[in-house]
Amino acid sequence: ETGVTQTPRHLVMGMTNKKSLKCEQHLGHNAMYWYKQSAKKPLELMFVYSLEERVENNSVPSRFSPECPNSSHLFLHLHTLQPEDSALYLCASSQEAGYQDTQYFGPGTRLTVL
Amino acid sequence: LAKTTQPISMDSYEGQEVNITCSHNNIATNDYITWYQQFPSQGPRFIIQGYKTKVTNEVASLFIPADRKSSTLSLPRVSLSDTAVYYCLVATVVNDYKLSFGAGTTVTVRA
Repeated sequence: ETGVTQTPRHLVMGMTNKKSLKCEQHLGHNAMYWYKQSAKKPLELMFVYSLEERVENNSVPSRFSPECPNSSHLFLHLHTLQPEDSALYLCASSQEAGYQDTQYFGPGTRLTVL
Repeated sequence: LAKTTQPISMDSYEGQEVNITCSHNNIATNDYITWYQQFPSQGPRFIIQGYKTKVTNEVASLFIPADRKSSTLSLPRVSLSDTAVYYCLVATVVNDYKLSFGAGTTVTVRA
């Protein structure tokens, strides 16, 4: 247990569906992250939030929409996804959004887009 | 943004030392080097972090030469449970927050 939980753990959705991924951290951290992990590719940073403000958006398509209502919760809203969006989506948190801050990862949501 | 390069895979036997080298030729002055371990169906887990020279903790050592263009993670006396993917991360925060994870090295430990 890392103190970061993600739900659901598995999700199958059609290209016209709308779904949301949820992440919650119980560590009192101020920064939260979304990553995408595809087979045989490096971890890709998608979004970074620091104190509920988005500080980084790595050219992610608009069909992915993050939301950070408070420093403990992070959502990733999904709509009109493509099959190539199928991947493991990982949430992480750290004390601050600093380059030397250790990130604590959740177990991930395995997303399959049909 | 410092791009990292790691070997794709390494095989070892129980009790041996495993050394994984990560290349980061254009590492910036402010960049730290962090290594993570990932088991199947789990998120990555922090192992060790360093800026220069040598860092050691209870699970690993990290060697960083003076030019900082590479780093080597050393796992002493590995066991079967050390079979995992190991990622090298170089992170910079100046005005933009950038991360560069390597593709990961799959370490397989055999009995």
